[in-house]
Amino acid sequence: GQQVMQIPQYQHVQEGEDFTTYCNSSTTLSNIQWYKQRPGGHPVFLIQLVKSGEVKKQKRLTFQFGEAKKNSSLHITATQTTDVGTYFCAVQNSGGSNYKLTFGKGTLLTVNP
Amino acid sequence: GAVVSQHPSWVICKSGTSVKIECRSLDFQATTMFWYRQFPKQSLMLMATSNEGSKATYEQGVEKDKFLINHASLTLSTLTVTSAHPEDSSFYICSARGTSGTWRFGPGTRLTVL
Repeated sequence: GQQVMQIPQYQHVQEGEDFTTYCNSSTTLSNIQWYKQRPGGHPVFLIQLVKSGEVKKQKRLTFQFGEAKKNSSLHITATQTTDVGTYFCAVQNSGGSNYKLTFGKGTLLTVNP
Repeated sequence: GAVVSQHPSWVICKSGTSVKIECRSLDFQATTMFWYRQFPKQSLMLMATSNEGSKATYEQGVEKDKFLINHASLTLSTLTVTSAHPEDSSFYICSARGTSGTWRFGPGTRLTVL
């Protein structure tokens, strides 16, 4: 199945600083999804990127999909304490009809107020 | 829309007992549901894919006789952890893929085996 590497594993920032997490694959991806998991919570879907070079924004969050569709990034501008959590990328294995979703290891973001 | 529920949200049991976890898609039909396990500070690991009306497909290394999965209807899948042991303590999360192509995750079930 698809494998994806996610870095960094941890990131601690001061409130107001920016944050970026990256996902990389050795193979071309059909799409990539991003999730946020708050401490003690479950993953919440943020966005899906499909097109080469795609850039999508959600308020202070900017998502990018690389031109070769092998990498993606999530950037948060001016972090707030509410941004705390683990951010996962996930890639879809569309072999057959099961559409399995494989998660990266995640980036734990902590924000110092 | 596209809400997935799980029951129970947490359970504590004695070693050797079996625990059943339910996953329901509340407002959409899910022909396929997925069961994940997440240990503390780790990522979600796919355990099995549950297809309505057929046998589940298990990932490599997951014991199908220990983790029994039943997907009896388009809105319900169950995971039974048989003869649970302390090493089975984990956060079990189900997800369902909707017709729009997006995944919705259940709130998870935290299992503690004493």
